[in-house]
Amino acid sequence: KAGVTQTPRYLIKTRGQQVTLSCSPISGHRSVSWYQQTPGQGLQFLFEYFSETQRNKGNFPGRFSGRQFSNSRSEMNVSTLELGDSALYLCASSSPGRKETQYFGPGTRLLVL
Amino acid sequence: DQQVKQNSPSLSVQEGRISILNCDYTNSMFDYFLWYKKYPAEGPTFLISISSIKDKNEDGRFTVFLNKSAKHLSLHIVPSQPGDSAVYFCAARYGGSQGNLIFGKGTKLSVKP
Repeated sequence: KAGVTQTPRYLIKTRGQQVTLSCSPISGHRSVSWYQQTPGQGLQFLFEYFSETQRNKGNFPGRFSGRQFSNSRSEMNVSTLELGDSALYLCASSSPGRKETQYFGPGTRLLVL
Repeated sequence: DQQVKQNSPSLSVQEGRISILNCDYTNSMFDYFLWYKKYPAEGPTFLISISSIKDKNEDGRFTVFLNKSAKHLSLHIVPSQPGDSAVYFCAARYGGSQGNLIFGKGTKLSVKP
């Protein structure tokens, strides 16, 4: 099986812009979670989607949003980018009944200037 | 307030010796604990897990110990190999089978030949 893929791998934006990141889960996985990784905060949970519905949400401002499509692919969007949004954004998918074991993609490295 | 803490940002061990990575948590409602390993430019990969009803789980060179009364878990790697050099994240789950994972900030392990 192909692993979790994320596009793009690297992205440079300026403050105030918006960005959309994409994640394709492992085939058959219906749950997709997004995380933000920064040096100071480690991995922080953003949100989780399951069957096109947001099931859980972390403690991030409304500028961070996401969606999931019928094929389980997911996108996350960050509007009005701030310098502090510079981070590695990781997507993880899990199979039904195995939520505790997530498979991560390689991440999208976002740099906000 | 961080619910999952990895107090050692880094650890250096000689090849062939034991590596012990520690993790403390504050929430007694966590029901599942996991360790992930992360190499640079890659997403975290699942390593080993343990349910809160157990105190030990072993998988090859990797053993996870859970001390619920102390709210402490540890990952033992024996013997350590240079390829084990990576960042190790401890994670805890709450909310049952659909719950989210809360990650620690990670410990960078360096195994020297």
